[in-house]
Formats: sequence, C-alpha cells, structure tokens
Amino acid sequence: GAGVSQSPSNKVTEKGKDVELRCDPISGHTALYWYRQSLGQGLEFLIYFQGNSAPDKSGLPSDRFSAERTGGSVSTLTIQRTQQEDSAVYLCASSLSGRRTEAFFGQGTRLTVV
Amino acid sequence: QKEVEQNSGPLSVPEGAIASLNCTYSDRGSQSFFWYRQYSGKSPELIMSIYSNGDKEDGRFTAQLNKASQYVSLLIRDSQPSDSATYLCAVNRAGGYNKLIFGAGTRLAVHP
Repeated sequence: GAGVSQSPSNKVTEKGKDVELRCDPISGHTALYWYRQSLGQGLEFLIYFQGNSAPDKSGLPSDRFSAERTGGSVSTLTIQRTQQEDSAVYLCASSLSGRRTEAFFGQGTRLTVV
Repeated sequence: QKEVEQNSGPLSVPEGAIASLNCTYSDRGSQSFFWYRQYSGKSPELIMSIYSNGDKEDGRFTAQLNKASQYVSLLIRDSQPSDSATYLCAVNRAGGYNKLIFGAGTRLAVHP
C-alpha cells in the first residue's frame, strides 16, 4: 500500500483482556514509531524501532505494554491485561532513515476498554 | 526542559490574518524540522519540512528556521477557518538514532 496501514481501526475489549494492534509501515521505511493519544491530549511516545538497532522502549508506560517488529517491516503492539486508562487512539508512524526523517502516520486504532 | 516546546494555545486569529506558530528545541545538533497539522479526530499530517536556516515557502505556509536560536516557526498567511487545527512541531534528535521528537502542539482557532 501507499501509506501506513493500521488494523483494526476500532477495538472494544473487556478490562483484563489482551489486545494486539498491527501496523504496516510504508515499504522501505526503516524507522517505525508507536504513539498513544488520549482524547484532547498530545502525542505520547511509546516505542521507536530503527533498522536492526535495539528499540527505544523508553515511552512504554508499564510492563503490560510490549511491541515487536518482525523482519524490519510489520509491527505489533500488545497490551496485556487491559485497563480502562489504556483507552486511547494508538498511532503508528514510519519514516526513512538518514536526514529526511519525516514520519507519516497511519489512521490509528481507537481502543476502548470497557 | 522539554526537548521540543510549543505554546499550547489556543491561538485565536481572525480570518484573513497571519497566524504565527512557534517552536523551540533543545538539541543543538538537530538537523531536520517538521510541521504537522492534526484535525480533531484525525491523524497528524505533514505540511512542511525545513532543513536549512532561513525561510521556506509553500503556498500560504512559510516555515522559518534559526538554528543559532534553536527556533522554528510556521506562518500561515490569509488564515482560513479550515486551518483551525492543532499544529505539531517535530525535530529529529541528532546522532545515530535519528529519532523524531514531537512538541505537544499548538491549537489554532481561526474565526470568521
């Protein structure tokens, strides 16, 4: 596809369940970001993958959150034992490496924990 | 000190006026600077990039960069109500990681 694709677009889950959110970056983009955005708030950085380097996990809010990036392409963000405060829009972005590091965002996954 | 700072606003301007959005950054080695626009309920979209000191114009938008002052701005001429959105400044962190750091955004309201 031409852009960053995220799935699902919407996810409603019960408190305590695990969820997986998927991100397909733009082909050839080596960098991939996950952000969380609560209603009316700014972007909250979660994790950053850059090529084969160790990911920057400094933004993950708790050990219930984890992310993988397989084969340098698709990424999955997993939230275990979801809590109501996890409800937010989860945004994925990808970029090239080097100087032109402009990132392009997917449409996001709206997660609602009930 | 935050790595990328923006005034949260709201910045309110009348239709037809110039809107000026400002951003400061802390990493003196940063080389790439971007402005994103985010409408309510939508994802951020890239509207401007700037890499060298000075001005860069694209239609009604002008990005200005002053590396010595660690300052980047976005001017929107002839502001329209459709420009009402949150504007995010993003700066790459120098060094091998090249990670983009976003500011918290400035909310712009253009009133008729």
